[in-house]
This record gives sequence, structure tokens and C-alpha cells, in this order.
Amino acid sequence: AQSVTQPDIHITVSEGASLELRCNYSYGATPYLFWYVQSPGQGLQLLLKYFSGDTLVQGIKGFEAEFKRSQSSFNLRKPSVHWSDAAEYFCAVPGGSHGNLIFGKGTKLSVKP
Amino acid sequence: KAGVTQTPRYLIKTRGQQVTLSCSPISGHRSVSWYQQTPGQGLQFLFEYFSETQRNKGNFPGRFSGRQFSNSRSEMNVSTLELGDSALYLCASSLDRTPDTQYFGPGTRLTVL
Repeated sequence: AQSVTQPDIHITVSEGASLELRCNYSYGATPYLFWYVQSPGQGLQLLLKYFSGDTLVQGIKGFEAEFKRSQSSFNLRKPSVHWSDAAEYFCAVPGGSHGNLIFGKGTKLSVKP
Repeated sequence: KAGVTQTPRYLIKTRGQQVTLSCSPISGHRSVSWYQQTPGQGLQFLFEYFSETQRNKGNFPGRFSGRQFSNSRSEMNVSTLELGDSALYLCASSLDRTPDTQYFGPGTRLTVL
């Protein structure tokens, strides 16, 4: 069965520092992978997605993610974090049936000034 | 294009009541999915509608139901509310193709007292 693991519940980084959020997945076939971000009290905004092709995917707000099949990972990175990046980040894979995404538990990012 | 809209944004109900939440998808999107988000369980898939038909359902009791109209707008209904139904209810729309991307609304925050 498909599943997503985000090992880090909460991460704190200093503004201007680099960021890497981890995501490991279990998926039977070639995975489709997503990263979403959620600000407090808001819905989910799509940051980026991987369907096929280049394993390094660029997204919005300066984020990128790299698909590594051998490690079943799709880690999210940003070279320099801004205070406005403080939010909760979710990795997701399709659930194997229509309209169903399976989400990780999320990683909450705090940014120190 | 306008994004996914959900109404109302906030709702307070008491146990035993019922509630109806509304979702308008992005223009041209025909698939609408609903999710429940709670601190303990995270994001959980409720159901998905396409062309006015429920195609997929998550593991929720029959008190949770939904429907979709010919203009793709969707409603979900929760009857006989329980305290544990307090959650953020998120709606997502997609074009319905493989692979596909879901775009989320801001959510409806339901509080059951």
C-alpha cells in the first residue's frame, strides 16, 4: 500500500540558512510525488510536483525537490530560508484510486530571525 | 482563474446537529475531493466526486456524505455531529487526468461543541 513518511515533525532554522525537509514514500509503480505548504488557518498550496523526467524539480517560492528512486525519497530543499517560509509542509503520493492523495504527517518549519 | 472556494470558512455547531459545507472548484475542473484535517489524524481522504458521481470513498462513517452538481460544485454533509468531527475540512479540485494535480481551497473550520 502507498504511504508517505516525513520523519521530522518540527524543524527550526535561522533566516538565510539552507533547508532540507525529508520525505520517504512507499509506492508500487513509478511514483507521482507532491509537496504542499500550509500556512496557519489556510488551505494547502502546491509547491511542486514530480511526474516523470528530470529528477530535480523546481517549484514556486524558490523551492526544489529531488526524486531519488534508490532511496525512495523526495526531499524538499531551499538554499536560503525567509521568515515567510514558516509554515507546515506536506509530502503526498496518489492513493491508488481516483482523487485520493495520501499525505505525510507534515513537518512544521519555524524560522529564527 | 479563480481558485477553489469554500463556504463557510468557519462554523460552530453543537453535538447532534447536521452541517453542510460547500465547495466551488476551479473553472473547468470536474473532479472534487474532500479531506478532513485534524491534529491527531492529519489529512484524511473523505470522498471524491466526478460528473455528479461518487467514485471513491475513504474510511469514514455513513454520517459523512456528499454530492456534486452539474456545474461541478460540491457539497458535503455531516449528520449527527460528534465532538470528534471538529476539524478543518478541505476541498480540492482537479482536471481528472493521469497524472493529475489537486488544488486546494482555504478550508472550512468546523467546531462542534
